[in-house]
Amino acid sequence: ILNVEQSPQSLHVQEGDSTNFTCSFPSSNFYALHWYRWETAKSPEALFVMTLNGDEKKKGRISATLNTKEGYSYLYIKGSQPEDSATYLCAFLSGAGSYQLTFGKGTKLSVIP
Amino acid sequence: DTAVSQTPKYLVTQMGNDKSIKCEQNLGHDTMYWYKQDSKKFLKIMFSYNNKELIINETVPNRFSPKSPDKAHLNLHINSLELGDSAVYFCASSLAGGSTGELFFGEGSRLTVL
Repeated sequence: ILNVEQSPQSLHVQEGDSTNFTCSFPSSNFYALHWYRWETAKSPEALFVMTLNGDEKKKGRISATLNTKEGYSYLYIKGSQPEDSATYLCAFLSGAGSYQLTFGKGTKLSVIP
Repeated sequence: DTAVSQTPKYLVTQMGNDKSIKCEQNLGHDTMYWYKQDSKKFLKIMFSYNNKELIINETVPNRFSPKSPDKAHLNLHINSLELGDSAVYFCASSLAGGSTGELFFGEGSRLTVL
């Protein structure tokens, strides 16, 4: 069983604040790390797929970094807006076994106007 | 046009019944998946399937079976429903199994077993 941990479990920030959260995953047999954004009553949507140690990806105010050797990824949101309120999921793809994504439990972000 | 669509969105049924949830994707993807969102809101893989290989999560009871009439469809059939099967089930697809490609999810089907 692969262990994918996300912290914090939930987070409240004021509009305009910048924030970040963590995803920890096994450091062996790394293949890829995904980040998804999941709004209430919708389906998860992919933000980033990261494959290389040291990768940094950016989409607007959201960015992510990846450290495969120590097994963690950070997601950053700059200048949070109410529309950023969602659950952010990371998912680990192992290069061993069945190539199935293992999801973390997510970080629920609430941005207070 | 919805990329990954599931039907029904809501399903309420009695214990012991057999039911199916349908999934269709119009993205031309090779691999489709079923995930279960458990009571703790955790997404867990149930199956992944392409036209070559079915991979079953070993924790899934054999009352659950995927059925794929063609590459664009992966239906989930559940026999002898139990109370603990109540959950939201998500279908997803990706470009190719074993690749790093992102998943595209359907909107989920909420199953309630009474």
